[in-house]
Amino acid sequence: SQKIEQNSEALNIQEGKTATLTCNYTNYSPAYLQWYRQDPGRGPVFLLLIRENEKEKRKERLKVTFDTTLKQSLFHITASQPADSATYLCALGGYNKLIFGAGTRLAVHP
Amino acid sequence: EAGVVQSPRYKIIEKKQPVAFWCNPISGHNTLYWYRQNLGQGPELLIRYENEEAVDDSQLPKDRFSAERLKGVDSTLKIQPAELGDSAVYLCASSLEERGTDTQYFGPGTRLTVL
Repeated sequence: SQKIEQNSEALNIQEGKTATLTCNYTNYSPAYLQWYRQDPGRGPVFLLLIRENEKEKRKERLKVTFDTTLKQSLFHITASQPADSATYLCALGGYNKLIFGAGTRLAVHP
Repeated sequence: EAGVVQSPRYKIIEKKQPVAFWCNPISGHNTLYWYRQNLGQGPELLIRYENEEAVDDSQLPKDRFSAERLKGVDSTLKIQPAELGDSAVYLCASSLEERGTDTQYFGPGTRLTVL
C-alpha cells in the first residue's frame, strides 16, 4: 500500500532562517503533489501544487521540489517568520484522490 | 467568497448514540469530500461526491456510517451508533472539477468526542 513519510518530530528554527520540510513516499506514482498548511483547530489550506513533470515550483517565500526518482518532495520556506508556525501536510494526487501524510509541525522562534 | 461551512464545530456524545454533521461547500464546487482526521495524522478520505453521486465510498464504514448529498449541494454525514474509536475531527472539503488537479478547500471541521 502507499506510504507517505513526513518528519514526525517538530522542526524548530530561528526567525529569518530557511525551513525545509521533507516528504518521502513509496509504492505510488503520483501525478502531482500538493502541500497544505494546517493551523490548530482549522482545516488544511492549500499552498502549492507541483506536477510529476515539474522539478520546482515557487510562490513568494515558498519553494517546492519534486524528485520522482527519489520519490521525494522538499518544501522550503525562506525568511521564515513566527506566523509560519503551523503543521504542513504533503498530499499525493492522482486518480481523483489525494493521500495525505501525517504532517510536520514547524515552530519558528523569534 | 464564502468558504466551506461545517456545523456543528464540536460535538460530545455517549457511545451508541447517533450523530450527524453538515457541510455546505463553496458555491459552484461540484465535488465534495468527507475526511476523518485522527490526532497527529493526516486527513483520510471517507467519501467523495461528484454532484449528488457518491463516486468513491470505499473507505466509508458502511455498517455505521452513511452520507448523502441531496441536490448536489450540501451534504450530511451520519454515524449510528457511534463508537469510542470514532472520536476524531471530521472535515468536509470541496473542489472544482479541474482535469489533472484536485485542489481542495477545507472547512474548519467538526471535532467529535465519543464518551
